[in-house]
Amino acid sequence: DGGITQSPKYLFRKEGQNVTLSCEQNLNHDAMYWYRQDPGQGLRLIYYSQIVNDFQKGDIAEGYSVSREKKESFPLTVTSAQKNPTAFYLCASSRRGDTEAFFGQGTRLTVV
Amino acid sequence: GDSVTQMEGPVTLSEEAFLTINCTYTATGYPSLFWYVQYPGEGLQLLLKATKADDKGSNKGFEATYRKETTSFHLEKGSVQVSDSAVYFCALSDMDSSYKLIFGSGTRLLVRP
Repeated sequence: DGGITQSPKYLFRKEGQNVTLSCEQNLNHDAMYWYRQDPGQGLRLIYYSQIVNDFQKGDIAEGYSVSREKKESFPLTVTSAQKNPTAFYLCASSRRGDTEAFFGQGTRLTVV
Repeated sequence: GDSVTQMEGPVTLSEEAFLTINCTYTATGYPSLFWYVQYPGEGLQLLLKATKADDKGSNKGFEATYRKETTSFHLEKGSVQVSDSAVYFCALSDMDSSYKLIFGSGTRLLVRP
């Protein structure tokens, strides 16, 4: 079945550590996105990529980094510079120019 | 820039009640409009969409009509079920925003038996 897979589902990070969240899709979509969701709030865009080897900052990119070396993969690194990383992270993908996005099941990151 | 405004929740209804969740938008271009639903601990699922003025999106008994004159896309359902309890997000996307999805803050719906 085609879809978008995020891993792990739960992730715990010590303060000062970098962690990487995985996002893989087999939908042959050109565009991929990372959103952050805080409790009781909407989704805020962190980074997005519309083509391999290219990506743009979203509204809250500080303290995060991404890469897009393959069409299927768009990993997100939460660096130690992100002061409040505890949140629910959602990855999405869509066909370029098509506006419907498909979401993964999310990764819940907790700083301990 | 583009934005989406939703009514604040939570919205609490009894089973079989009529549901309306208001959504209005601001956009410089001609956006596509969406409703997504999020069940606890999960990602978002597309519920319905409309791509041009006066289009009506529908799915699973939910409906929303793209009203350009009032810049609105209100979600309605004639008879809600307990299983409809979730968070509902209104969103827009258009060429002027590089096709990024821009979300409202979400509205939590709780349906009681």
